[in-house]
Formats: sequence, structure tokens, C-alpha cells
Amino acid sequence: DAMVIQNPRYQVTQFGKPVTLSCSQTLNHNVMYWYQQKSSQAPKLLFHYYDKDFNNEADTPDNFQSRRPNTSFCFLDIRSPGLGDTAMYLCATSKGYTGRNGYTFGSGTRLTVV
Amino acid sequence: AQTVTQSQPEMSVQEAETVTLSCTYDTSESDYYLFWYKQPPSRQMILVIRQEAYKQQNATENRFSVNFQKAAKSFSLKISDSQLGDAAMYFCAYRSNINAGGTSYGKLTFGQGTILTVHP
Repeated sequence: DAMVIQNPRYQVTQFGKPVTLSCSQTLNHNVMYWYQQKSSQAPKLLFHYYDKDFNNEADTPDNFQSRRPNTSFCFLDIRSPGLGDTAMYLCATSKGYTGRNGYTFGSGTRLTVV
Repeated sequence: AQTVTQSQPEMSVQEAETVTLSCTYDTSESDYYLFWYKQPPSRQMILVIRQEAYKQQNATENRFSVNFQKAAKSFSLKISDSQLGDAAMYFCAYRSNINAGGTSYGKLTFGQGTILTVHP
């Protein structure tokens, strides 16, 4: 089945130690999104790629970076994680910006910074 | 910018009963989509139901239906015959269908979520 896969499901990292989360998709969707979701809160958009074009949200800290080497893969890099970055990170895809299908989400990576 | 508000942080329902989750939104646009997503604990967020703003008829998907009041900017979700598997966090979300050069085009804006507990 076509899907969005995030690895790893759980990640523990030390304060200040760089960490990379990955997302892959078999849907051939051209838009990929990264959301941060803290406990019992709404997901917050960090940035997204439309094809190869990177679109950062205005309030996303510089500590968060992203790479998209090809259509199928997208990475979230946290250069120096702080305790406040402990959260679930959700990857989502969509076919273009419009359409009735919303997003397709991955299962998320739960990141704990210690 | 659009905002989505879910005023019920938590709701509970008895198995087989009906529950309604509330959602209101604020927008000046006329063309958009509204969604309800379900996020079970530690599991993937999945789409429950969608509504196109230009359609007056309320969307229905099996036990799930919506009450879409465009003028009032209200979009509630009704779950009939509740099942234990319906227990989850539910998010209402808005997506613009208009490219007006703004930064919100195509993005999903989520409400704060409602935690639904189903009692056996």
C-alpha cells in the first residue's frame, strides 16, 4: 500500500547532540510537510517542500533544518536539540496545494531530549 | 490568517451512544475544505471526514457525520453508535483552496484537539 513512513518511531537524544529524523513516501506526492506536536497540543507546521522549493514558517527556529534529496525522501535535522524540542514530529504529504484529500500522515517520530 | 477553535478539550461517551464534537473557524475566504482527523494514542493521524465549503449538503461517512454551518463558521462532528475504537484525539482542520499569494495557501490549520473517551 502507498504510504508515508517515518523512522525511527522513537528517538532519544542528548541535549545539544544533532539528530536526524527521516520520512519516506510511496505516494509520489510533490508536497511534504514537517509538523511538531507537543503533548496534547495541535500540530504546528515547521516547514514544507513544494517539489524542491523549501518553505520555512516564520517562527520556526533556525535550529531546525530540512533536506529533500528526491521526491520520496525528506529529512528533519535538529542541529542542537534542547529540552523544549521534546515532541512528536509528524511528516505529511499532499498532491499539490489544493484538493479534497487533505494530507496523508506518517506515524510520527517521538523525540525525547534528555 | 485562518483560525480553528475546538472548545472542548475532553469529551466522553458511552459505548453505542452518540457524541458531538464542536469546531468553529474564522476565515474571510469562500473556497476551502474542512476536515476531521483522528489521532489514536501513539498512532497515525487519519482522515475521518471532509467537507467542501461550496457544498451545502453535510458530509457523511458511515457512523460519522458533520453539521456544516457556513454562515456561522461552525463544523461539528457527530459520531453515532460509538465504539471503543473511536477513542482518540480528534482534530478539526481548515485548508484554503485559494491562492491569493498569502502564506497560508494549501496549509492545514488545526484546532487544539478534543480527547474523546469511550466508556464500555
